[in-house]
Amino acid sequence: GAVVSQHPSWVICKSGTSVKIECRSLDFQATTMFWYRQFPKQSLMLMATSNEGSKATYEQGVEKDKFLINHASLTLSTLTVTSAHPEDSSFYICGAQGVWTGGPYNEQFFGPGTRLTVL
Amino acid sequence: QKEVEQNSGPLSVPEGAIASLNCTYSDRGSQSFFWYRQYSGKSPELIMFIYSNGDKEDGRFTAQLNKASQYVSLLIRDSQPSDSATYLCAVSWDNAGNMLTFGGGTRLMVKP
Repeated sequence: GAVVSQHPSWVICKSGTSVKIECRSLDFQATTMFWYRQFPKQSLMLMATSNEGSKATYEQGVEKDKFLINHASLTLSTLTVTSAHPEDSSFYICGAQGVWTGGPYNEQFFGPGTRLTVL
Repeated sequence: QKEVEQNSGPLSVPEGAIASLNCTYSDRGSQSFFWYRQYSGKSPELIMFIYSNGDKEDGRFTAQLNKASQYVSLLIRDSQPSDSATYLCAVSWDNAGNMLTFGGGTRLMVKP
């Protein structure tokens, strides 16, 4: 399958700082990228969907001014957690999806995740 | 509100047995269904997808879909300790697999 990378894989920061997480599709062009958050022992919760060159669509309850998403190219999307607080500590996972060519389905490939700890 | 429900487990089975994982969903218009495996601290990896009623087999895995009952299951035959993980059911409203809604996951433990 296709490869999606995330950087950093883990980060610890002080409360009030901003953290940027990068998601890259290494061997395909990702027209759509998804950002998920996963708290311990819980499932993935979709935060937002972004299409290359367009503004991200945020899920209900997700603050767009706090979680800034940029999908400036077909291989890179970034999530910036602004003024992070301890309650933002979580496992952040990106999903990348290319153009659907009409096959059985359009698989979403996941990055390895970024573990954010806010002190 | 689209919901996907799974028993959180843990589901414990002996090595070599069949593990049966179940998932129900609320949106009758859902079109495609996915099973992911997630090891602790890792991101999910796709095991199978299904979009037609009935069974779909791939190696030791069989996915079963019943749209009338809004029910999808995953059977793992000859369970191995390496199958121990959390299994996530995901549902999409279209056949393209866009906008996945995940269930809470079922933790499977295969005992040697």
